[in-house]
Amino acid sequence: QQQVKQSPQSLIVQKGGISIINCAYENTAFDYFPWYQQFPGKGPALLIAIRPDVSEKKEGRFTISFNKSAKQFSLHIMDSQPGDSATYFCAASIETSGSRLTFGEGTQLTVNP
Amino acid sequence: KAGVTQTPRYLIKTRGQQVTLSCSPISGHRSVSWYQQTPGQGLQFLFEYFSETQRNKGNFPGRFSGRQFSNSRSEMNVSTLELGDSALYLCASSPGAHTEAFFGQGTRLTVV
Repeated sequence: QQQVKQSPQSLIVQKGGISIINCAYENTAFDYFPWYQQFPGKGPALLIAIRPDVSEKKEGRFTISFNKSAKQFSLHIMDSQPGDSATYFCAASIETSGSRLTFGEGTQLTVNP
Repeated sequence: KAGVTQTPRYLIKTRGQQVTLSCSPISGHRSVSWYQQTPGQGLQFLFEYFSETQRNKGNFPGRFSGRQFSNSRSEMNVSTLELGDSALYLCASSPGAHTEAFFGQGTRLTVV
């Protein structure tokens, strides 16, 4: 019940295309859903986050779509660039668990020039 | 504002030894969490400290322990190291409970 399932495991997109990464969860107590970007040799960097009271949040080229009834959320990267090539992690947390994050398995994104 | 600082960046230890990793959170942040990242298991939560108290603990053996000091700096200790403890250990700081978490660059631990 604490798991967050992420797909696909890897994704190859052409420059200028849209990258879409999906996550699903079972525990309806999750109420905070961040996305992280990680480059090799670096720690994860917070990209964007959403709470269940909204269905979509956009920051620049990054958009989170959230479907509470389906218990799914996704990250859309518009106009993908080679510099976006990295590993992306979705995560979820529960208010009663403090700052504890449960992470998805990660998606290796490659954006070809 | 300075980010999360973890030291050392790299460590090589022998099986059976113990190791201490350090994390300095972002100034003003009171919550520090630790994660283990491996290719096989991904990112797994170890524990969280808030105002010097362990608030949450993941599913790791008692060989993994931590503490937080009054200035919010945190240390984690792994005793009796095993080969499987080789991983990237990440520290994340948050201003409070259930808010954004910002990660350091991690400490790469190799157990030989």
